[in-house]
Amino acid sequence: KAGVTQTPRYLIKTRGQQVTLSCSPISGHRSVSWYQQTPGQGLQFLFEYFSETQRNKGNFPGRFSGRQFSNSRSEMNVSTLELGDSALYLCASSLGGRPGELFFGEGSRLTVL
Amino acid sequence: AQKVTQAQTEISVVEKEDVTLDCVYETRDTTYYLFWYKQPPSGELVFLIRRNSFDEQNEISGRYSWNFQKSTSSFNFTITASQVVDSAVYFCALSEALRGATNKLIFGTGTLLAVQP
Repeated sequence: KAGVTQTPRYLIKTRGQQVTLSCSPISGHRSVSWYQQTPGQGLQFLFEYFSETQRNKGNFPGRFSGRQFSNSRSEMNVSTLELGDSALYLCASSLGGRPGELFFGEGSRLTVL
Repeated sequence: AQKVTQAQTEISVVEKEDVTLDCVYETRDTTYYLFWYKQPPSGELVFLIRRNSFDEQNEISGRYSWNFQKSTSSFNFTITASQVVDSAVYFCALSEALRGATNKLIFGTGTLLAVQP
């Protein structure tokens, strides 16, 4: 069974640009969550999507957005990039009925110059 | 507000030693979940255990054991007879038990465990 797949794995952008990250969940998983991991702030929840609807949102500015498609694949977008957005962005999928049991991908490492 | 504290930033042990990773949490919720995740050098977080706030029974799984004490708001994790493969960053986390919010995890800052051969 394939795991959570995130693309791209690495990317470099400059300030002011925007970026889109993609996540394919494990087959059958309808919930997709996104987390940001940085050395300074640690792991922080961004948002969660379930059946194409945003179910929860963390404390991030509106520059961070996401969506989920009918096949459960998800994308997140960050507009007007800032240096502080450099981070590992982790996507996780989960099966209903198992609270908090998240299956994480390897992440997309974003560097903003 | 919810908060998870892992006071141990780094721990280094020699193989076969036992090691305990501490986790203290804060929440005003009466029902909540606690978790431990492992992040090996490859970077992929791996779920280890979930505990419901109503269930204070300790749990053992092979060399791993967990001690949940509501009285001290702690959820500690012990590895018995550590092995080099246990080297990783370990995260403790907390979430509300409210339906629809259980995947919004509040993570601690993690403890880097280095097991030397």
